Amino acid sequence: QQQVKQSPQSLIVQKGGISIINCAYENTAFDYFPWYQQFPGKGPALLIAIRPDVSEKKEGRFTISFNKSAKQFSLHIMDSQPGDSATYFCAARDGGATNKLIFGTGTLLAVQP
Amino acid sequence: NAGVMQNPRHLVRRRGQEARLRCSPMKGHSHVYWYRQLPEEGLKFMVYLQKENIIDESGMPKERFSAEFPKEGPSILRIQQVVRGDSAAYFCASSPSRVGGPSYNEQFFGPGTRLTVL
Repeated sequence: QQQVKQSPQSLIVQKGGISIINCAYENTAFDYFPWYQQFPGKGPALLIAIRPDVSEKKEGRFTISFNKSAKQFSLHIMDSQPGDSATYFCAARDGGATNKLIFGTGTLLAVQP
Repeated sequence: NAGVMQNPRHLVRRRGQEARLRCSPMKGHSHVYWYRQLPEEGLKFMVYLQKENIIDESGMPKERFSAEFPKEGPSILRIQQVVRGDSAAYFCASSPSRVGGPSYNEQFFGPGTRLTVL
């Protein structure tokens, strides 16, 4: 119940294309869903986040789509660029007294020029 | 405005030695979290601390691992008698107070400490 399942494990997209990464969860107590971007040898950087009372959030080329009834959410990267090549992690916050994040297993994105 | 700072960035220890990892949260942040990332895996929660208090240590191994966040100074993650399986990247994150403000949920990560046990 504490898992967040992420797919695909890796993704290759042409420059200018759309990258889509999907996540699913079981625990309905999760109340906050961030996406992190991580470059090799660096720490994860917060990219965009959404709360379950919103179905979509857009920031620049990055959009989160959230389907509460299906317990799924996804990250869309429009006009993907080679500089977007990184590992992307979805996460879910365990609501309640703790603020811990449960992370997906990551998606390695390669954007080809 | 400095971000989350961690040191050392790389740490090499022999089996049986102790490892001490330090984390200074962002200015104004009073909540600290430690996560571990094994090669080719996602991050796993270890412990959540506020000043002088451990709030949630449900992800900490029962033995050899401890964490503190004293009133003054950085948070410390301590691993005693390290074994090869402890080799990983250890990330610290910080967040503002939970009460008030639009960003109270957001956790900002440091660059990590990469521990290698020989």
